[in-house]
Amino acid sequence: AQTVTQSQPEMSVQEAETVTLSCTYDTSESDYYLFWYKQPPSRQMILVIRQEAYKQQNATENRFSVNFQKAAKSFSLKISDSQLGDAAMYFCAYRSALFSGNTPLVFGKGTRLSVIA
Amino acid sequence: SAVISQKPSRDICQRGTSLTIQCQVDSQVTMMFWYRQQPGQSLTLIATANQGSEATYESGFVIDKFPISRPNLTFSTLTVSNMSPEDSSIYLCSVLVRGLNTEAFFGQGTRLTVV
Repeated sequence: AQTVTQSQPEMSVQEAETVTLSCTYDTSESDYYLFWYKQPPSRQMILVIRQEAYKQQNATENRFSVNFQKAAKSFSLKISDSQLGDAAMYFCAYRSALFSGNTPLVFGKGTRLSVIA
Repeated sequence: SAVISQKPSRDICQRGTSLTIQCQVDSQVTMMFWYRQQPGQSLTLIATANQGSEATYESGFVIDKFPISRPNLTFSTLTVSNMSPEDSSIYLCSVLVRGLNTEAFFGQGTRLTVV
């Protein structure tokens, strides 16, 4: 079974600075998807960024980018120019591409990010 | 994208009773999933709701405790039966949408407190 590990239970960052959240995963599959989700106090799960394993290029979405190291099974999230609204719980998640990708997400334990004004 | 309406958003229930949570999607979906998020914890998959057949449950979750229905492609319910305080959690439904299978969408969650 696949597992996702987030080794940082809590992180903090000064407003406008950059922070990197770590994620590693374990799988024997070669094709899969990786995600970072944000969960603010409202409980709504919000997709931050996704990465397809077959793509070597790191995904980028505005201030959010990932460092995907497939051989090392590492998938870190970098948040640039941090804003107060970035404060939330961040979950790293894995999804198998088997069965045409109709598989559930496997989540890490999460990293709580605080942004200091 | 997909818009998911999950109801109720929160409830406080007496132990021994049951609560049914509804998940309605505005698009036809390929897969629907139910997760539990215990206080301060990550999301744990309860089951996959299959349309027209019984749900597939993960280890540690059983149908008698968490019966699930999925009568069509856009609707599912999760019932938490014979509740105890240990069932106090956030319950979330999640879907994969036809043609958008790289992204999973989530309902806003149901915060359940059992007293």
